[in-house]
Amino acid sequence: GAVVSQHPSRVICKSGTSVKIECRSLDFQATTMFWYRQFPKQSLMLMATSNEGSKATYEQGVEKDKFLINHASLTLSTLTVTSAHPEDSSFYICSAAGGPAADTQYFGPGTRLTVL
Amino acid sequence: RKEVEQDPGPFNVPEGATVAFNCTYSNSASQSFFWYRQDCRKEPKLLMSVYSSGNEDGRFTAQLNRASQYISLLIRDSKLSDSATYLCVVNTRNNDMRFGAGTRLTVKP
Repeated sequence: GAVVSQHPSRVICKSGTSVKIECRSLDFQATTMFWYRQFPKQSLMLMATSNEGSKATYEQGVEKDKFLINHASLTLSTLTVTSAHPEDSSFYICSAAGGPAADTQYFGPGTRLTVL
Repeated sequence: RKEVEQDPGPFNVPEGATVAFNCTYSNSASQSFFWYRQDCRKEPKLLMSVYSSGNEDGRFTAQLNRASQYISLLIRDSKLSDSATYLCVVNTRNNDMRFGAGTRLTVKP
């Protein structure tokens, strides 16, 4: 149990376009979902935390108007990178809490975004 | 000071070796602790939780010292498949997880 999926797994887009990434908990209800970003050879950095039905809480330095997060249901959260630029190219990983182990986050497989 | 600090690595060891990773954390209110493993270009996967009494899972042993705010991971009899980046993760509260930068391990034949 506790499977989290992400879609797409890889996306290449032109600068200035918007990209939406979906994160789904497949076999449990995720009370909280998290979005992370990981640049090459660096650790995961938390971008934001979202609870179903409420506004996301963004980490310091993360622009909420650029990284739009929607958590419309207990099994789905979306991250939209608006007006993407090459510096937004990164590995975006979501995770979900609320699965079998109370204090554990279950990670999605990640989405690799390349902005040309 | 970073919230979670790990050995910088990389560690290059032969098969069969024993290798130890260390991690320190700054938030004394941290409540739970984990080691995650991350393979190249993949998401992190939970390796094991770390308990105050120390815990073992096969070749892997994790230790926690709350007084020193220190966590360790010991891998015995290293396998080629153990090659990965090992992330120390600290959970303060409400699932606020903080990740170390990771330590890369390469096990060679």
